[in-house]
Amino acid sequence: DAGVTQSPTHLIKTRGQQVTLRCSPKSGHDTVSWYQQALGQGPQFIFQYYEEEERQRGNFPDRFSGHQFPNYSSELNVNALLLGDSALYLCASSWGTGGGEKLFFGSGTQLSVL
Amino acid sequence: GESVGLHLPTLSVQEGDNSIINCAYSNSASDYFIWYKQESGKGPQFIIDIRSNMDKRQGQRVTVLLNKTVKHLSLQIAATQPGDSAVYFCAENYPGNQFYFGTGTSLTVIP
Repeated sequence: DAGVTQSPTHLIKTRGQQVTLRCSPKSGHDTVSWYQQALGQGPQFIFQYYEEEERQRGNFPDRFSGHQFPNYSSELNVNALLLGDSALYLCASSWGTGGGEKLFFGSGTQLSVL
Repeated sequence: GESVGLHLPTLSVQEGDNSIINCAYSNSASDYFIWYKQESGKGPQFIIDIRSNMDKRQGQRVTVLLNKTVKHLSLQIAATQPGDSAVYFCAENYPGNQFYFGTGTSLTVIP
């Protein structure tokens, strides 16, 4: 049973560029959430996708956008990268959106913006 | 213990001792909680969860205690091993919403 998989594992970009991160949820899960984790901090919620729609969003600007595909996999896009976007980006999957479901994480994509 | 803030709390324990990691959560409406372990360069790993209708839940070598009166969670690790060294996060979830994470507690096990 494959867990949550993310690609790439590491990425280096320069300011102003755009980046796309990818995630495949754990088998049996239909909901994908994205989190940003700065060094020394806990994960911060970006948004959640269910049935190919954004269902909830955290306090992140419109530069952060996403997509969910019919097979439940998801992408996170960040436009006009800033130095402060450097972080570990985590994808998490669960079943349903009502809350109270176990949330499982991938290993993350380490993004460095120079 | 862990709370939302700028400093990462640290805990050092001797191998074989029991560890207790504390967490203050923020929302009295939160009804589901998860403890995660995060090793360097990896994503958070699910350890144990508890719902608000319970005060205590036990797993393999781990116990989670929930005190809703003071909005406090603790994670107890029995017979701590070097492989338990990591950052531990508690996450709270209230109905229909996402999970909120604290800053985490760094646990170091001394051989």
